[in-house]
Amino acid sequence: EIVLTQSPATLSVSPGERATLSCRASQSADTSLAWYQQKSGQPPRLLIHSATIRATGIPARFSGSGSGTEFTLTISSLQSEDFTVYYCQQYNKWPRTFGQGTKVEI
Amino acid sequence: EVQLVQSGAEVRKPGESLKISCQGSEYTFPYYWIGWVRQVPGKGLQWMGIIYPSDSDTRYSPSFEGQVTISVDKSINTAYLEWKSLKASDTATYYCGRHVGGSTNSPFEYWGQGTVVTVSS
Repeated sequence: EIVLTQSPATLSVSPGERATLSCRASQSADTSLAWYQQKSGQPPRLLIHSATIRATGIPARFSGSGSGTEFTLTISSLQSEDFTVYYCQQYNKWPRTFGQGTKVEI
Repeated sequence: EVQLVQSGAEVRKPGESLKISCQGSEYTFPYYWIGWVRQVPGKGLQWMGIIYPSDSDTRYSPSFEGQVTISVDKSINTAYLEWKSLKASDTATYYCGRHVGGSTNSPFEYWGQGTVVTVSS
């Protein structure tokens, strides 16, 4: 199975700053990579699919890049509601897998 | 608006059986893959498996195959996750999710609210 490794585990940033989250795949996920945001007590929310495409209603400050084994989620200017946990997921190979998550904290 | 509504929280003893549900609405239920994700308290997301309601084609993660059964009743737009014999390690929140399109090559776009399952003697 494809193992996704997210880094860092915790990212400490200030509001208004840029956040860069990484997701590395153990083998090629092509561009079949999604990013989710999850707030405490809530289901995940799809942010990005196909590595670079924002899901419906997602603000432009969220962007995704990468292909193959290296992927990045960038939040251009952190708002207070963005301080939470982010997961990547690949859907290129079976079984589908998630990364272990990155917590973005103030 | 697409909605996935899951059944309520459950408390069971080890060895007991359980079936939780996820009912979809406001979309053509048979033609979208629907799946299950586990989240152990304080931990990350684990992909368990998915099912295509139209023909009940099912795919499992090896980590969960044989441990759970995913099924569907398309007459009532509902997917199920079932255990025959629960373990304490099954204690988690279980989310259902619907794929973006009618293909498995897509992420989960819509999610249920989650069902908390507690297994304790």
